[in-house]
Amino acid sequence: AQSVTQLGSHVSVSEGALVLLRCNYSSSVPPYLFWYVQYPNQGLQLLLKYTTGATLVKGINGFEAEFKKSETSFHLTKPSAHMSDAAEYFCAVSGRRNYGQNFVFGPGTRLSVLP
Amino acid sequence: SQTIHQWPATLVQPVGSPLSLECTVEGTSNPNLYWYRQAAGRGLQLLFYSIGIDQISSEVPQNLSASRPQDRQFILSSKKLLLSDSGFYLCAYLKQNTEAFFGQGTRLTVV
Repeated sequence: AQSVTQLGSHVSVSEGALVLLRCNYSSSVPPYLFWYVQYPNQGLQLLLKYTTGATLVKGINGFEAEFKKSETSFHLTKPSAHMSDAAEYFCAVSGRRNYGQNFVFGPGTRLSVLP
Repeated sequence: SQTIHQWPATLVQPVGSPLSLECTVEGTSNPNLYWYRQAAGRGLQLLFYSIGIDQISSEVPQNLSASRPQDRQFILSSKKLLLSDSGFYLCAYLKQNTEAFFGQGTRLTVV
């Protein structure tokens, strides 16, 4: 079984500051890990994903995340926040088995960017 | 390429009325399909998932049901809506267990 926790339901940063959104997971099998972004009244858009290979993953809009197996973490970062980054961010985990229920989302973190 | 369509985008329904939300997927076959609900200020709650035609699993007991009459069609229904059914409903499909693609969502308001 898989589960995801996201520390901080709401994070505020100033424009130009570092963005750090935390995600920790638990999984009984090697995980696939994802970050999704949701703008108001829209569906979820994939930011980046880790499946295999390099543990530092680069995504769209300047975001990146690092898979740290020893810490069971997959934190999302961006060096410099932009006003357009304000949105809800969801971390998700999937196990490497094709079971229908095998895709689990965290509770989400709302990012606010202050001018 | 794969696409996922979900409609309607917004819906206002009175309490006790029926509901039907439709989701269709193009460009893939035998997808795993999902219905999620997102209540205001809360995360994604998995409602139903389906691994094939007429194969539906419910994650939580509720006033809703789901059906999959065709391989790429997933329908969310209710016979009588409750106020608590209000929320943002998202359909998704899973691509080879490595990525979930989402529809644009339906904002349902039960009045």
